[in-house]
Amino acid sequence: DTAVSQTPKYLVTQMGNDKSIKCEQNLGHDTMYWYKQDSKKFLKIMFSYNNKELIINETVPNRFSPKSPDKAHLNLHINSLELGDSAVYFCASSQALGSGANVLTFGAGSRLTVL
Amino acid sequence: GQNIDQPTEMTATEGAIVQINCTYQTSGFNGLFWYQQHAGEAPTFLSYNVLDGLEEKGRFSSFLSRSKGYSYLLLKELQMKDSASYLCAVMDSNYQLIWGAGTKLIIKP
Repeated sequence: DTAVSQTPKYLVTQMGNDKSIKCEQNLGHDTMYWYKQDSKKFLKIMFSYNNKELIINETVPNRFSPKSPDKAHLNLHINSLELGDSAVYFCASSQALGSGANVLTFGAGSRLTVL
Repeated sequence: GQNIDQPTEMTATEGAIVQINCTYQTSGFNGLFWYQQHAGEAPTFLSYNVLDGLEEKGRFSSFLSRSKGYSYLLLKELQMKDSASYLCAVMDSNYQLIWGAGTKLIIKP
């Protein structure tokens, strides 16, 4: 019944490794997002996908790559992990972009720790 | 640049009322959101304002003044479970959400 589910919830890994976080939503929403929340609690948009098309790509390193096999899934792949990548990554979805009342539903978050 | 300001932390007493302020400077305006985030959990939607005035939803109310670039979230009859961070976010003219850093609200018995 979980609306937005992401896995894994916790991820501890070494610098230089490659890792992926998966996200799925069963709300029938058209848009999905990846956010990064650092230790100062700022939520920073990383990517959003609308109907499998990347529509926002903020200035994130190209080590981060989103992959969306269909509109219910948006995975995040990270290459060559660095210490500064340690954060909580939230997946979210919304009914549509370009609408004022664009309420986000967030997943529970994936806490990434890079050692 | 675009900016959202809200206090870092506030403390209030159980049963009391607290007002959390948010001021913003953004490129255009398509609405203001308040989200609640308990420690270690995901943000959850509380309210949306696009027109000036007060929106009431149970113990929580949200106010907006577009001319002043100002909003507040009012929480009444505070309960211990209201201890959380409250995030203010504004949707700009490109329908992108600009987030504040959040206000950590501590409720004391």
